[in-house]
Amino acid sequence: DARVTQTPRDKVTEMGQEVTMRCQPILGHNTVFWYRQTMMQGLELLAYFRNRAPLDDSGMPKDRFSAEMPDATLATLKIQPSEPRDSAVYFCASGLGDPSETQYFGPGTRLLVL
Amino acid sequence: SQKIEQNSEALNIQEGKTATLTCNYTNYSPAYLQWYRQDPGRGPVFLLLIRENEKEKRKERLKVTFDTTLKQSLFHITASQPADSATYLCALRGGSNYKLTFGKGTLLTVNP
Repeated sequence: DARVTQTPRDKVTEMGQEVTMRCQPILGHNTVFWYRQTMMQGLELLAYFRNRAPLDDSGMPKDRFSAEMPDATLATLKIQPSEPRDSAVYFCASGLGDPSETQYFGPGTRLLVL
Repeated sequence: SQKIEQNSEALNIQEGKTATLTCNYTNYSPAYLQWYRQDPGRGPVFLLLIRENEKEKRKERLKVTFDTTLKQSLFHITASQPADSATYLCALRGGSNYKLTFGKGTLLTVNP
């Protein structure tokens, strides 16, 4: 049963610390998305990769967020320095095709910045 | 500006009844619309996709309609069960844009 995996599942950190979230997309999928979900804003797209190349990161605060795909099996989202307003659930999703019609979401990383 | 609205934040119905959820949008010309289910503590799960040239799609107890004139999609769950209780999200993709934009969701509770 192919799934998107994310680590860590939960993260509590203090303001100013670096946070790294990892995602393993489904093997063979060529698109990866990072989303942030909050009660106020819902699901917001942060970044999009196709064949490991970043195509859109317009949803990310550029000064503190960065997203990379060092290889086809790993996507990372980094926040440095973290702030309390970054507290949210971060989801990774992967898909196949361009554009991929169906996105398969991971279980999310719940981040709390104190 | 583009906007997606799901009719209510929460909907409570009795088991066995049909649940109807609404998704309205403005300033979009969507290539297709999707519905996802999200359970607490989990990521959204894809349910159905309906294209701009389709009026209706069915899958088991689920039915989706898409009216591009009204700019509205209706999502129906017939013979609802307590296990259908979850948050349901609609999402739209624009014509040539890969980006999926999600509504905030409707929390459905089916009471036994």
